[in-house]
Amino acid sequence: QKEVEQNSGPLSVPEGAIASLNCTYSDRGSQSFFWYRQYSGKSPELIMSIYSNGDKEDGRFTAQLNKASQYVSLLIRDSQPSDSATYLCAVISSSNTGKLIFGQGTTLQVKP
Amino acid sequence: KAGVTQTPRYLIKTRGQQVTLSCSPISGHRSVSWYQQTPGQGLQFLFEYFSETQRNKGNFPGRFSGRQFSNSRSEMNVSTLELGDSALYLCASSPGGPGNTIYFGEGSWLTVV
Repeated sequence: QKEVEQNSGPLSVPEGAIASLNCTYSDRGSQSFFWYRQYSGKSPELIMSIYSNGDKEDGRFTAQLNKASQYVSLLIRDSQPSDSATYLCAVISSSNTGKLIFGQGTTLQVKP
Repeated sequence: KAGVTQTPRYLIKTRGQQVTLSCSPISGHRSVSWYQQTPGQGLQFLFEYFSETQRNKGNFPGRFSGRQFSNSRSEMNVSTLELGDSALYLCASSPGGPGNTIYFGEGSWLTVV
């Protein structure tokens, strides 16, 4: 079992729709969770961090965390073509504060 | 506030050579970590330095090494380059505490021929 799992996609949504990206993790002791966006040929850019169960909203983005189910998700409302990118879920290991463990990423395509 | 700066951005090396990549973290950040990104393996953790000490290490061979200086700047070195070392090498910085957000530089694209 991979430590952090994401569907690779591509996930295709029409412009203006809600895009839902999902991630599961195996280390039950993990406390810190991040979503990064990566455009082709670029480095990862932090979108959201979440540490507590529940929802965290920032503009059009909402991160959701359920530690009991070991599940993290990212919702993008009013999706725009500029949101087309690979979204990386990352978890900080419970035993290793300086190490991010990444999923393989989900490719999102927003069609005009 | 300046972000994470990596140099060089692009480089081409020949098999068997060695390469050194440099990273300047965000001002005030004491933790610098390095990641390798390839299409097949995704983003993989190489190592992390905090206050000039290697605090964590990933599962890479000893050809991959790094260090951190007193000003928090870091370098990583890859010796005896192999074709499979071709990748995007990303440096990331954070204050270094538990759960601190980690920010990435633009990366160094290494091609080994």
